[in-house]
Amino acid sequence: QKEVEQNSGPLSVPEGAIASLNCTYSDRVSQSFFWYRQYSGKSPELIMSIYSNGDKEDGRFTAQLNKASQYVSLLIRDSQPSDSATYLCAVRVGGGADGLTFGKGTHLIIQP
Amino acid sequence: DTAVSQTPKYLVTQMGNDKSIKCEQNLGHDTMYWYKQDSKKFLKIMFSYNNKELIINETVPNRFSPKSPDKAHLNLHINSLELGDSAVYFCASSPSTQWNSKYGYTFGSGTRLTVV
Repeated sequence: QKEVEQNSGPLSVPEGAIASLNCTYSDRVSQSFFWYRQYSGKSPELIMSIYSNGDKEDGRFTAQLNKASQYVSLLIRDSQPSDSATYLCAVRVGGGADGLTFGKGTHLIIQP
Repeated sequence: DTAVSQTPKYLVTQMGNDKSIKCEQNLGHDTMYWYKQDSKKFLKIMFSYNNKELIINETVPNRFSPKSPDKAHLNLHINSLELGDSAVYFCASSPSTQWNSKYGYTFGSGTRLTVV
């Protein structure tokens, strides 16, 4: 059974600091990994994707993937109050036409 | 233009009623999905359609019936609504369902269904 685990939080980070969000997944054949941001009452918005081991940077966001440890993380540098949201980790498993499996999300609060 | 649009945005109805939610995407994507987000914010896939054909049907009650008249539209019809059906329903689309697909989903704005 595919599972994606995230700490639900809330994770409180001071403005300007680095926010670190973590996600583990159970299925070793998982191929693609995504981070979504969801503001309260809004739809999920794709912010990062990663497929290969290592780091991928996009602006203030860095996604890190370690397939051996079945671990994916998202770092947000220079955190802003507008980054306060729920961050959803999603995993696509290879081998079929599966949809994305989502974690339950981490609620991030950036304190001004 | 909105990429993935859902209607209605809010739906309040009584138990036992039948209701439909409509979804349309103008991105030219091949695959569309319905997800349910419960009160604890957990997003769970319900259905997936690829070029009008059902490819995923998770364990949802058969009161839920998706219909895809063409690859740009995926509607969700719900019969005999129950209190537990109250949730936010999201439509989403993606370019591909290939196993090595690197594409994420684009979500619609959601339909908040409240059954009273």
